[in-house]
Amino acid sequence: EDQVTQSPEALRLQEGESSSLNCSYTVSGLRGLFWYRQDPGKGPEFLFTLYSAGEEKEKERLKATLTKKESFLHITAPKPEDSATYLCAAAGGTYKYIFGTGTRLKVLA
Amino acid sequence: NAGVTQTPKFQVLKTGQSMTLQCAQDMNHEYMSWYRQDPGMGLRLIHYSVGAGITDQGEVPNGYNVSRSTTEDFPLRLLSAAPSQTSVYFCASSYAGDYEQYFGPGTRLTVT
Repeated sequence: EDQVTQSPEALRLQEGESSSLNCSYTVSGLRGLFWYRQDPGKGPEFLFTLYSAGEEKEKERLKATLTKKESFLHITAPKPEDSATYLCAAAGGTYKYIFGTGTRLKVLA
Repeated sequence: NAGVTQTPKFQVLKTGQSMTLQCAQDMNHEYMSWYRQDPGMGLRLIHYSVGAGITDQGEVPNGYNVSRSTTEDFPLRLLSAAPSQTSVYFCASSYAGDYEQYFGPGTRLTVT
């Protein structure tokens, strides 16, 4: 059965304290691995797509990487405005997206 | 571009009532989908469509119907609302089934 698991469930960081969020996946025929950011009361907002192992994408303080079993979202020197829930999703051979339950990130000033 | 729009934003139903959640996109996307989001459960796929006239079931389709008569619209129908359908519902669209999705603002539904 296809599955996406995110860890940790919640993370508190001090401003400037770098860390990584993990997304483990078991998906047949992976067509894409996606990262989204979700703020309270809003819909998820697209961040990155990764298609093959070894691929990396960067945007401001965020960098996403992909291996054959995991993806990581690295947050470098985070700021309070980076506080949000970060969601990982995988699209498999059936064109059904499978989402993880997310990591709630809180960055303290 | 308005992107993905959803109506209503909030809705309260009594058990057994029916209603339709509206979703529209103006990006000419072929792929559209409906999710429900519950605490601790993440986003779960209800139904999806790869193009006008084509729909398929997701992970949690029971109690919901969809149709896709145009590229732009993808309504979700609750046939007989149950308290277990209390949730936040999101509609999303994308260029194709393996591209990034763009989400609407959500509909918060409460069934009493």
